[in-house]
Amino acid sequence: EVQLVESGGGLVQPGGSLRLSCAASGFRFDEYAMSWVRQAPGKGLEWVSGISWNSGTIGYADSVKGRFTISRDIAKNILYLRMDSLRAEDTALYYCAKANNGAYYYYMDVWGKGTTVTVSS
Amino acid sequence: DIVMTQSPDSLAVSLGERATIHCKSSQSVLYRSSNKNYLAWYQQKPGQPPKLLIYWASTRESGVPDRFSGSGSGTDFALTINSLQAEDVAVYYCHQYYSTPQFGQGTKVEIK
Repeated sequence: EVQLVESGGGLVQPGGSLRLSCAASGFRFDEYAMSWVRQAPGKGLEWVSGISWNSGTIGYADSVKGRFTISRDIAKNILYLRMDSLRAEDTALYYCAKANNGAYYYYMDVWGKGTTVTVSS
Repeated sequence: DIVMTQSPDSLAVSLGERATIHCKSSQSVLYRSSNKNYLAWYQQKPGQPPKLLIYWASTRESGVPDRFSGSGSGTDFALTINSLQAEDVAVYYCHQYYSTPQFGQGTKVEIK
């Protein structure tokens, strides 16, 4: 069964850091691009960051550029999102999603259940 | 960045009737060399992650009921739900993957 399981969310103070993880199983992790998509409480979906199959192409939304870093560990089948200089507006449910291609400019066919990040003092 | 605008923001439809959601992109998402529109639709039910319904603007994902259909090309697209069922109550999002991924703001579908 194809599965994505996010972890690492929690409560953090403004200016703090967190690292999210997404454990992938049931498919060849090293063949597909991955993305992080977030959803603020009561709001819509916002693409945050994407990484190609070989980590050769990486992209970020303007809202997180310079603060967030996406990476992947092929040996462990894990996708990461390092989040620094966190702001209140980063509070959201963060989803990990698989692209149906090696490039992240693609539709996303598998989604995890998400992990919640709350930025508050 | 390409901006995606959905209409309406919410929609109430009687059971068994048709629901149509529109999505407009600020520039074309048609890749001419492949003649494919880089546009997908997702369904999100309360407390659940999004679920892929349609990709390439009109290709239904495996297992999606055939009452769901996508249409359009270039900058104007639509998701149609024929014969609305109670389990179709959800928020629907369009998504362009022609360039930096962008989602529409979502359309909430309810039962009238």
